Amino acid sequence: GNSVTQMEGPVTLSEEAFLTINCTYTATGYPSLFWYVQYPGEGLQLLLKATKADDKGSNKGFEATYRKETTSFHLEKGSVQVSDSAVYFCALSAPDSGGSNYKLTFGKGTLLTVNP
Amino acid sequence: GAGVSQTPSNKVTEKGKYVELRCDPISGHTALYWYRQSLGQGPEFLIYFQGTGAADDSGLPNDRFFAVRPEGSVSTLKIQRTERGDSAVYLCASSSVGGSGANVLTFGAGSRLTVL
Repeated sequence: GNSVTQMEGPVTLSEEAFLTINCTYTATGYPSLFWYVQYPGEGLQLLLKATKADDKGSNKGFEATYRKETTSFHLEKGSVQVSDSAVYFCALSAPDSGGSNYKLTFGKGTLLTVNP
Repeated sequence: GAGVSQTPSNKVTEKGKYVELRCDPISGHTALYWYRQSLGQGPEFLIYFQGTGAADDSGLPNDRFFAVRPEGSVSTLKIQRTERGDSAVYLCASSSVGGSGANVLTFGAGSRLTVL
């Protein structure tokens, strides 16, 4: 079955530090890959996505590249801010035998705290 | 509405009681999803509606759980004879497309259920 394994947290960084949160996946077929972010007291929000191998998703200074050869989708940001403190979830959706692609499989989430 | 609205935001109940959780999706979104997020875990798929019908209820853990969407808009997740293990945050999401493609889901803030 499909699964997502992401770096366990919590991760604590100082402002302007470099961030990497590792994510690897197992999936049948060719999945789409996502990073979702959950700020305190808010719902999950899509941060970025990539739909095919070698695609790079980017948003708000965050980037992740779909690496089929290593089945990875690591999240990076060059300089984090206090406002980036949140829980980050890696997720995938993979087509089923009927071609439907609606079900998201999430990792456990990584809590990031950025200190001033 | 502007976003996905879930009520109540918090629900505390006693073991054995019946609970209803409501989701009001973004207007015009035909696809609606329920996920469950236990403490320290990522969201897990429960059920997917396309319009009024449940296209996939394979994630419902047992027959105590049931969900409806009678008019293709608002959905209610119903839990009978609640157990302490049902304690979790129940997330609702909606999207404008369902089935194929890289679905972008918009999540609500969730309903936190605590069963004493």
